Amino acid sequence: DQQVKQNSPSLSVQEGRISILNCDYTNSMFDYFLWYKKYPAEGPTFLISISSIKDKNEDGRFTVFLNKSAKHLSLHIVPSQPGDSAVYFCAAKDNYGQNFVFGPGTRLSVLP
Amino acid sequence: SQTIHQWPATLVQPVGSPLSLECTVEGTSNPNLYWYRQAAGRGLQLLFYSVGIGQISSEVPQNLSASRPQDRQFILSSKKLLLSDSGFYLCAWSVLDSLGYTFGSGTRLTVV
Repeated sequence: DQQVKQNSPSLSVQEGRISILNCDYTNSMFDYFLWYKKYPAEGPTFLISISSIKDKNEDGRFTVFLNKSAKHLSLHIVPSQPGDSAVYFCAAKDNYGQNFVFGPGTRLSVLP
Repeated sequence: SQTIHQWPATLVQPVGSPLSLECTVEGTSNPNLYWYRQAAGRGLQLLFYSVGIGQISSEVPQNLSASRPQDRQFILSSKKLLLSDSGFYLCAWSVLDSLGYTFGSGTRLTVV
């Protein structure tokens, strides 16, 4: 059973518009979340994080929102740029877990 | 600064042949080390993790094995590859209490 879900395998957005990538989780003990970005044939790179004591974290064009009651987080990219085209992974961990659990990823395509 | 090296970048191997992928980390001591696989159209699947020399935990039953002969060296092996072993293999490291992983550049393995 997938503990971290990204139900949209792909998303296309026009350059300059907002990209919203969603992530849902089932384990209520998860308290720390990460977003990674991955280009083809490269390793994922860290993008932004959020802990359960916050409901929003912002870093430049990237903002992550956490809704603990809904067990849902989202990554907003504004404005979207063609270089943002990549696969985005959501990952979650609880305070006791050794490892992060990754979602299956969402492929974002930003169209010029 | 910490760096992670993973090689080779690409590999084509016949079914039944052995496999050895190597990962080394520089600039840190006693890292946690991980092997992930990204199969086509799927997310990141944790295969093995290690918290110290000779300590290997396997997350999923499979045709692969891992070893950690030195503190900063992690090796992924197989005695006989299967077609289903094809995928993109990623090594990653983290240090205790850090909140995220750093990934290597990955190895694209094609079993033919």
